[in-house]
Amino acid sequence: QKEVEQNSGPLSVPEGAIASLNCTYSDRVSQSFFWYRQYSGKSPELIMSIYSNGDKEDGRFTAQLNKASQYVSLLIRDSQPSDSATYLCAVSWGANNLFFGTGTRLTVIP
Amino acid sequence: GAVVSQHPSWVICKSGTSVKIECRSLDFQATTMFWYRQFPKQSLMLMATSNEGSKATYEQGVEKDKFLINHASLTLSTLTVTSAHPEDSSFYICSARIRTQRGLDEQFFGPGTRLTVL
Repeated sequence: QKEVEQNSGPLSVPEGAIASLNCTYSDRVSQSFFWYRQYSGKSPELIMSIYSNGDKEDGRFTAQLNKASQYVSLLIRDSQPSDSATYLCAVSWGANNLFFGTGTRLTVIP
Repeated sequence: GAVVSQHPSWVICKSGTSVKIECRSLDFQATTMFWYRQFPKQSLMLMATSNEGSKATYEQGVEKDKFLINHASLTLSTLTVTSAHPEDSSFYICSARIRTQRGLDEQFFGPGTRLTVL
């Protein structure tokens, strides 16, 4: 059974702080990893994809992948109130569909 | 990222009627599209995988005769909720898979359709 697990939160951080979101997955042959942001009432928006071990940075976002430990994380630097949303971790195995975690709700407090 | 559109963005219908939702990839061709459903405060639930030119693959527990999917072209997939009932009220979201220049797959979501069945 392939599973993707996230802490549902809510995670609250003050404005300007670093928000750290974590995700673990069950299958060692996973190939592709994604972070989506979903605002309330809206559809998910792809913000980061990562395929190999290590860090990938894009603006204020850094995705970290550790395949040996089967976890992927998302760091948001200088958090802004506009970052308040639910963050979905998604994992794909080969050409299969995405498997989503249940999401972590982030609140950035002004 | 790639752009996926959905129409309508919201719809209210009477119980027993059928509702068609369109999903289009605007700036790329998508051989594979996906249909999800999301109830309030719950996670995305994959309903079916739509492949251009072939029958859709439905997830366990999703009635294929109730949720008709047609993927007639590389840029359009439709979901028809037949004989809708109040319990079908939900947020329906499509996504399209695109292969990047690096040969890796990414999925982009449409804006979703909020269905309310009275």
